[in-house]
Amino acid sequence: NAGVTQTPKFQVLKTGQSMTLQCAQDMNHEYMSWYRQDPGMGLRLIHYSVGAGITDQGEVPNGYNVSRSTTEDFPLRLLSAAPSQTSVYFCASSYSISRGAGNYGYTFGSGTRLTVV
Amino acid sequence: KQEVTQIPAALSVPEGENLVLNCSFTDSAIYNLQWFRQDPGKGLTSLLLIQSSQREQTSGRLNASLDKSSGRSTLYIAASQPGDSATYLCAYNTDKLIFGTGTRLQVFP
Repeated sequence: NAGVTQTPKFQVLKTGQSMTLQCAQDMNHEYMSWYRQDPGMGLRLIHYSVGAGITDQGEVPNGYNVSRSTTEDFPLRLLSAAPSQTSVYFCASSYSISRGAGNYGYTFGSGTRLTVV
Repeated sequence: KQEVTQIPAALSVPEGENLVLNCSFTDSAIYNLQWFRQDPGKGLTSLLLIQSSQREQTSGRLNASLDKSSGRSTLYIAASQPGDSATYLCAYNTDKLIFGTGTRLQVFP
């Protein structure tokens, strides 16, 4: 029972490069999301998905793309990396506690530490 | 604006003390509130989840309470140990998770 798996754990990019952060879950959860964590700012939502084929923007979506072709995977793409995207990125998978949208409990991956130089 | 405030921002205590970490939030229409632990350089580990209809949850030495009407939650740690040293985050769930900036706890022997 791996839970939420993120790869890579560390990455250094040059400004302008693109890359994909991988996230996979084996719990058959419908809801998945991406957060970034910056010092003094807490975790902020980038993008989320309520199921395969459905994605939506969070609080800080600019510069990032997502897709959800399967229930298990939710990759985050950086289109053209900028130093402002230096951060720790967390993927979360959510289980529904009760019927109706929104009442979720969250399980987080171990994070990807990204540095853009 | 949706905000979560955690007080204190940092706490250093000797082993054995009982601790209270505070979390206040602005949104009363929440589904639940979740407390997480984060060790340096690591991910988030869920500690306790309190549904909006509940008043508290307990797990071992941890007890979390929720007062939705006043927008407050408290995490109580009994008989603290050096292994409890970490950052504790609270987050409330509307249709997304809104995080506080955490309380950094150090418990020394």
